[in-house]
Amino acid sequence: DAKTTQPNSMESNEEEPVHLPCNHSTISGTDYIHWYRQLPSQGPEYVIHGLTSNVNNRMASLAIAEDRKSSTLILHRATLRDAAVYYCILKGGTSYGKLTFGQGTILTVHP
Amino acid sequence: GAGVSQSPRYKVAKRGQDVALRCDPISGHVSLFWYQQALGQGPEFLTYFQNEAQLDKSGLPSDRFFAERPEGSVSTLKIQRTQQEDSAVYLCASSLGRLGKNTGELFFGEGSRLTVL
Repeated sequence: DAKTTQPNSMESNEEEPVHLPCNHSTISGTDYIHWYRQLPSQGPEYVIHGLTSNVNNRMASLAIAEDRKSSTLILHRATLRDAAVYYCILKGGTSYGKLTFGQGTILTVHP
Repeated sequence: GAGVSQSPRYKVAKRGQDVALRCDPISGHVSLFWYQQALGQGPEFLTYFQNEAQLDKSGLPSDRFFAERPEGSVSTLKIQRTQQEDSAVYLCASSLGRLGKNTGELFFGEGSRLTVL
C-alpha cells in the first residue's frame, strides 16, 4: 500500500479552524484518500474520503492537491469533542476495502 | 443497536489461557475485518471475511490466532495459549461493500481490550 506521512501532533483552540495535512507522494491513480479519527477508548470513525475533487460533508472538508500528492482535512470550527487521533489512509479502488493505518496525528483542542 | 457490537469489552486472561472475542457486524454487511491495536499505535490488520469466506488472513501474527464467520454474520476471533504480547485492543469492523467494489467506509466497534497477565 502507498504510504502517507502526517505530523505526530497538532494543537488548536476551540471554535477555530483546523487544517490537518497529509502527504502521499506515491499515491496511485486508483487510490482513494480516506480519513478516519479515533476518539479516546473508541474504535476508529469514518470522517470523509475523496478521489480527486474536494469533498464536503457534515463533519469536515477534504482538500486534495491537484497532483494528488497531498491532502488536507479541514475542521471548520474545532470543538473539544474533535480531540482525537486522525488517520489519513490510502485505499485502492479495486481492493476489498482493507485499511492500513499509520501513526496518525494527535489533535489537541484547547478550551 | 445499529452499530458493530463487540464482546466482551474487557477481558483479563492468565498467560496460557484461550480466549474468544465476538463481533456482531451491522446487519447485511458483507465484509468483516479484525484489527489489533497495541497501546499508542494505529490499528493493524489481522484478517478479512467476505460473507463466510476468509479471503485474507495475512495479518494473523501466529497460528495461535484463529478467526471464523461460519454463517456470514457473527465472527469470533480466538487466541489460543495467550501470551503477554497479545495484550491489545481487538477491533472489529464491517462494511457493505465486497471484493473489488469497496471504496466506502468501514464501521468499527468499540473493541475488546485483552490484558494477559
